[in-house]
Amino acid sequence: DTEVTQTPKHLVMGMTNKKSLKCEQHMGHRAMYWYKQKAKKPPELMFVYSYEKLSINESVPSRFSPECPNSSLLNLHLHALQPEDSALYLCASSQGTGNSYEQYFGPGTRLTVT
Amino acid sequence: AQSVTQPDIHITVSEGASLELRCNYSYGATPYLFWYVQSPGQGLQLLLKYFSGDTLVQGIKGFEAEFKRSQSSFNLRKPSVHWSDAAEYFCAVGAFYNAGKSTFGDGTTLTVKP
Repeated sequence: DTEVTQTPKHLVMGMTNKKSLKCEQHMGHRAMYWYKQKAKKPPELMFVYSYEKLSINESVPSRFSPECPNSSLLNLHLHALQPEDSALYLCASSQGTGNSYEQYFGPGTRLTVT
Repeated sequence: AQSVTQPDIHITVSEGASLELRCNYSYGATPYLFWYVQSPGQGLQLLLKYFSGDTLVQGIKGFEAEFKRSQSSFNLRKPSVHWSDAAEYFCAVGAFYNAGKSTFGDGTTLTVKP
């Protein structure tokens, strides 16, 4: 099974809401990633978890809060977002964090902030 | 710092015709190079990667790419395009030490005419 699943597929939230995005993989991968992708743009790395510990935070605003409860699960908690945060949020996983490891991407969550 | 340029924003080819997507990178040492494909509303899928060795790399879906150090290029090719190849294509470069982080090009949109 080489699938990364993400829920929900679509999310609409107001600027005062709190919501969470969920990502799951059952490939035994020890690295997991969050990316943000605006329309017609490449993905931008937000966070990297390695062995359930946050290893990279690309200076992401604190209104985005990642969490890795176990090696299969990655959450992104959202609070007080801005309209410019509307984007496709992609999760990925890989065996390790070295660049020799292939990253497997989920289909993404389309987020709209109103 | 590493960077990637995909000179062609949009390419249109006829079904059955050959395809070449260009990618130029800037990096001081031997790069890790990747090509990803993204279908509408989907996550990214790795087509192929180059780390070392044979400079002609075979990937999935009949794609290949050639690493040319002298030209700092990693162009993607396919001898005969299928309608299902219509998608966004991203070239990316990663550094050995920068585990988990890749720099993506802005992407090339491929349209396939029947």
